[in-house]
Amino acid sequence: GDSVTQMEGPVTLSEEAFLTINCTYTATGYPSLFWYVQYPGEGLQLLLKATKADDKGSNKGFEATYRKETTSFHLEKGSVQVSDSAVYFCALSDRGATNKLIFGTGTLLAVQP
Amino acid sequence: DARVTQTPRHKVTEMGQEVTMRCQPILGHNTVFWYRQTMMQGLELLAYFRNRAPLDDSGMPKDRFSAEMPDATLATLKIQPSEPRDSAVYFCASETRDRPNTGELFFGEGSRLTVL
Repeated sequence: GDSVTQMEGPVTLSEEAFLTINCTYTATGYPSLFWYVQYPGEGLQLLLKATKADDKGSNKGFEATYRKETTSFHLEKGSVQVSDSAVYFCALSDRGATNKLIFGTGTLLAVQP
Repeated sequence: DARVTQTPRHKVTEMGQEVTMRCQPILGHNTVFWYRQTMMQGLELLAYFRNRAPLDDSGMPKDRFSAEMPDATLATLKIQPSEPRDSAVYFCASETRDRPNTGELFFGEGSRLTVL
């Protein structure tokens, strides 16, 4: 079945460092891809999404590009802040009648001052 | 500020007791999801509803779990009897009818369940 694989954390960075969190997917169809973020004690929030190959999703300085040839959707940010410390989830949706979001295991990011 | 509301936020109970978790989706959202989050399994989809009708509950243990939407403003997830392995954070999420099947979900803050 469809699945998402994320790099394991925790990822520990200093403020203003460059961030990459890797995400690859397996899907039989042509999914939409998402990054959700979960801040401590809160529910998940949609960070960005992309619906077709070569689309770039972006929000709050984060970016991810839908790469069909490598089945990847890596999350990047040029300069992280302490406030970016959270768990980041990559997810896919098959966009079909099932309308299910399948999540990766999550990657904890800790940004130190 | 529209948001998904879940109650209780925390629940500690003993094995064998019944547990009911409630969710109020955002007004105008007609699709409601229940997810369970654990360290070992991550986020698992338990069930979801559209227009109050269950569309998929294949992720839910049928012998002890049940999910319902008595009306458009309330979704419930019940565990009876509860077991220690049910300890997890249970999230409710909703999706607007104006943008269906987009994967753009709004999550509540979760109900943290501990079964002793």
